Amino acid sequence: DAKTTQPTSMDCAEGRAANLPCNHSTISGNEYVYWYRQIHSQGPQYIIHGLKNNETNEMASLIITEDRKSSTLILPHATLRDTAVYYCIVRAPYNAGNMLTFGGGTRLMVKP
Amino acid sequence: DTGVSQDPRHKITKRGQNVTFRCDPISEHNRLYWYRQTLGQGPEFLTYFQNEAQLEKSRLLSDRFSAERPKGSFSTLEIQRTEQGDSAMYLCASSSGGVSYNEQFFGPGTRLTVL
Repeated sequence: DAKTTQPTSMDCAEGRAANLPCNHSTISGNEYVYWYRQIHSQGPQYIIHGLKNNETNEMASLIITEDRKSSTLILPHATLRDTAVYYCIVRAPYNAGNMLTFGGGTRLMVKP
Repeated sequence: DTGVSQDPRHKITKRGQNVTFRCDPISEHNRLYWYRQTLGQGPEFLTYFQNEAQLEKSRLLSDRFSAERPKGSFSTLEIQRTEQGDSAMYLCASSSGGVSYNEQFFGPGTRLTVL
């Protein structure tokens, strides 16, 4: 699976949009981009995934560049409860073990 | 609450003791995963079951680590002769199978402290 690069930490004001970038310049054509987050003392939680088109659900939007080498997770109206570590993961459909390979993630701090 | 439960939530043990953790996945999920997470790091994949078959175990950290899923429902992860370096959060996840995409639902984890 392709490696991802994310900023170590970011701050966001409550009520504003949080834009979390992810670089995956070595992504292959069949690899999906997944986003999970982990709130302190909890297990990771799935947010959204996509292949090449932009995606939106009740939690967030995922914008993938046309060349698929980077993506941005958007939390449209961040709340204090969105403070968490956000992981961008690139994964092929059928990798060995169906594993998720987590990097260090981005620690998002939402401030009042 | 994701529907995945883990027991115990916390375990303190002395070096050299054996420990066993249990994971109960979402009932209709046939895939079950174990991960380990050390402080400040992302989760690290350990092993994976589809039903009762352990299809990937090459990432288990040493032969002191073993996992079972005897009836394709709950799973146990055992660590024998624990070492201080085994102190970590052990996470279980489950997912449904069949298609290429399968969201993994994680439990709350078992935090192990080896003294």
